[in-house]
Amino acid sequence: NAGVTQTPKFRILKIGQSMTLQCTQDMNHNYMYWYRQDPGMGLKLIYYSVGAGITDKGEVPNGYNVSRSTTEDFPLRLELAAPSQTSVYFCASSDRGGGGYTFGSGTRLTVV
Amino acid sequence: KQEVTQIPAALSVPEGENLVLNCSFTDSAIYNLQWFRQDPGKGLTSLLLIQSSQREQTSGRLNASLDKSSGRSTLYIAASQPGDSATYLCAVLSNDYKLSFGAGTTVTVRA
Repeated sequence: NAGVTQTPKFRILKIGQSMTLQCTQDMNHNYMYWYRQDPGMGLKLIYYSVGAGITDKGEVPNGYNVSRSTTEDFPLRLELAAPSQTSVYFCASSDRGGGGYTFGSGTRLTVV
Repeated sequence: KQEVTQIPAALSVPEGENLVLNCSFTDSAIYNLQWFRQDPGKGLTSLLLIQSSQREQTSGRLNASLDKSSGRSTLYIAASQPGDSATYLCAVLSNDYKLSFGAGTTVTVRA
């Protein structure tokens, strides 16, 4: 029972580079979310999806893109990385809007 | 926009003392409220989930209460242990299915 799996766990990017953070869940959850956590701060919602083919912006979407072609996968794309995107990124899923959330272990990204 | 505040930001207690962590939110139109634990450099572990129709939830030494009308939740941890040292996050699910987090309370339990 893997739950929510995020890859990679760590990554260093140079300014202007692009990358995709992967997130996969094996619980057949419809709802999936991407959050970022900056030091000493709470988690901020970047994007979320309520089902395959449906995505919407959260609180801090600028500089990111998502897609949801399957129920299992919800990748987060960073285009033209900036130092302000240095953060820890968490993916989460929920079986329904009112259900509990399961989080992945996070991706620690540094942009230099 | 839902705002979630956690007080205090940090707490240090001797082993055996009871812990009281507070969470307040600005919009009472919530679906549920969830408490998480986060260890340094780790992900989030769900502790308790309270639906909007519930007043409290209990799991072992943990008890969480919810007063939706006043926008408050309290997490009680009885007879604290050094292993309880972590950051505790409160998260509120609004009716638009967006989960909003507080900044957390960092707890240190001294042996």
